[in-house]
Amino acid sequence: EDQVTQSPEALRLQEGESSSLNCSYTVSGLRGLFWYRQDPGKGPEFLFTLYSAGEEKEKERLKATLTKKESFLHITAPKPEDSATYLCAVSPRYAGNNRKLIWGLGTSLAVNP
Amino acid sequence: DVKVTQSSRYLVKRTGEKVFLECVQDMDHENMFWYRQDPGLGLRLIYFSYDVKMKEKGDIPEGYSVSREKKERFSLILESASTNQTSMYLCASSSGTSGSTDTQYFGPGTRLTVL
Repeated sequence: EDQVTQSPEALRLQEGESSSLNCSYTVSGLRGLFWYRQDPGKGPEFLFTLYSAGEEKEKERLKATLTKKESFLHITAPKPEDSATYLCAVSPRYAGNNRKLIWGLGTSLAVNP
Repeated sequence: DVKVTQSSRYLVKRTGEKVFLECVQDMDHENMFWYRQDPGLGLRLIYFSYDVKMKEKGDIPEGYSVSREKKERFSLILESASTNQTSMYLCASSSGTSGSTDTQYFGPGTRLTVL
């Protein structure tokens, strides 16, 4: 069964304290892995897409990496405005017109000043 | 930039009412999706559409229907609203099957409360 698991469920950091969020996945063939940021009461905001093991992408204090079984979202020297829920999703290699994503439950990140 | 808009940010309805949620995207995307999001349950797919007038059931279609008469517009219909349909509803779109990415772009969400 296709599955995405994110850990930890919640993380509290001090401003400047770097850390990583994990997304492990089990799918029958990977088309892509996606990271989103979601602020309370808003829709998810797209961050990154990763397609193959070894790929890395960066945006400001965030860096996403991908292996054959998991992805990490590294947060370097976080600031309070990085506080949000981070969602991970994968696109399996389904046949035909099926383009749905498999979603994790997210990691809720709080960065204290 | 991709823009996905939803007709309402907040909506309050009575049990038994027929409810329409509308979503519009401006990027000529072929795929459109409706999700609901509840605490502890994450994003759950209700329906998706890969072309005009085409639709497929997601993981939790019961109690919902959809309509896609134009490529840019995807509507979610609650035929007879119930209290267990109180939730955050999110619309998303992605490029077609010929595209190299399945990246979904989301609207701001509609917080629906059914009393």
